[in-house]
Amino acid sequence: AQSVTQLGSHVSVSEGALVLLRCNYSSSVPPYLFWYVQYPNQGLQLLLKYTSAATLVKGINGFEAEFKKSETSFHLTKPSAHMSDAAEYFCAVRGYSGGGADGLTFGKGTHLIIQP
Amino acid sequence: EAGVAQSPRYKIIEKRQSVAFWCNPISGHATLYWYQQILGQGPKLLIQFQNNGVVDDSQLPKDRFSAERLKGVDSTLKIQPAKLEDSAVYLCASSFSGPGELFFGEGSRLTVL
Repeated sequence: AQSVTQLGSHVSVSEGALVLLRCNYSSSVPPYLFWYVQYPNQGLQLLLKYTSAATLVKGINGFEAEFKKSETSFHLTKPSAHMSDAAEYFCAVRGYSGGGADGLTFGKGTHLIIQP
Repeated sequence: EAGVAQSPRYKIIEKRQSVAFWCNPISGHATLYWYQQILGQGPKLLIQFQNNGVVDDSQLPKDRFSAERLKGVDSTLKIQPAKLEDSAVYLCASSFSGPGELFFGEGSRLTVL
């Protein structure tokens, strides 16, 4: 079984500052990991994914994440926050069971607030 | 390329009434998912279809929720009778077979009064 823990339900940063959103996972098999963003009244949009290739993954809108197996972490970063980054961010993990690839298991989400 | 389509976007019903949501996945995606997202929480998987067969429905409250995927394309999710705690956004997603990403629709927001 897989699970995800996102540390911090709310994170506030100043515009132009570093964004760091934390995600730790638990998986009994090598995981596939994802970050999604959700804007108000919209569905989830994929930011980036880790599928066992490079451990440093670059995504859209300047975001990137690093897979660290020893720490079971997949933290999301962006060097310089923009007002348009204000949204809800979800970390998710996907594993395998007997029937093939499982659905995504999501964390509880982190609400990113950008201060002007 | 057309994305995942869902309808209706919003629905308000009284408790004990029934409601149905519809989803049309991205063309060619064999796998379809329904998620429930309660306000302030992450999405929770309700059911996963592979073509028109159920892969995982372990978290579907089967006494009131049902879902089907006829002909392996469109899907409907039904709630009957609805309870107050069913107020949530119901997200449909689809993907190719394998471990890649899921593509989500905009969701159907249900309010049960």
